[in-house]
Amino acid sequence: EPEVTQTPSHQVTQMGQEVILRCVPISNHLYFYWYRQILGQKVEFLVSFYNNEISEKSEIFDDQFSVERPDGSNFTLKIRSTKLEDSAMYFCASSVGAIAYNEQFFGPGTRLTVL
Amino acid sequence: KNEVEQSPQNLTAQEGEFITINCSYSVGISALHWLQQHPGGGIVSLFMLSSGKKKHGRLIATINIQEKHSSLHITASHPRDSAVYICAVNSGGSNYKLTFGKGTLLTVNP
Repeated sequence: EPEVTQTPSHQVTQMGQEVILRCVPISNHLYFYWYRQILGQKVEFLVSFYNNEISEKSEIFDDQFSVERPDGSNFTLKIRSTKLEDSAMYFCASSVGAIAYNEQFFGPGTRLTVL
Repeated sequence: KNEVEQSPQNLTAQEGEFITINCSYSVGISALHWLQQHPGGGIVSLFMLSSGKKKHGRLIATINIQEKHSSLHITASHPRDSAVYICAVNSGGSNYKLTFGKGTLLTVNP
């Protein structure tokens, strides 16, 4: 069964460093998403991406964050200068169509620890 | 801004019991999602609803659009159902953004 994959499963970094989280969405999906979940808190939407551009982003997704689909398969989230409060589980998801009408499929997550 | 409230926050049941988890939201939506999150952290989509009722195995999800309320039912609960169940809605007329509830931690004891 097709699935969303994410790498790495755990990333430890120093405050101020850049990190890139990688995702491979399901191959025929067209919509891609990043979410984060700070330990003990609810899942929060970061950004959605369609047709090689951001379709929506939250107030959390400031200039420190960027997303890219560098080739036909990978979807990346870059944090330019990490802060302690960026420590969280980051989930990638994909769907065939917009999530108002289609099921989302989630990756296993990347746990980011900023020291 | 859509507020999503779930109840209860924690639920402990004995194996075989019928479980109900509730979700209410404040603003009209196009769709509501029920998700399951296991202790390891992974999230699995259970249902996507825009009206009525859906059933998958022992799980049933209902939604009442007029009352802005949805329920997730588990019949004949089993310890493997133990997980966090999360309600999420597309927010504020957006087709691309989900707003999540805090989740309900379900523990089913043998």
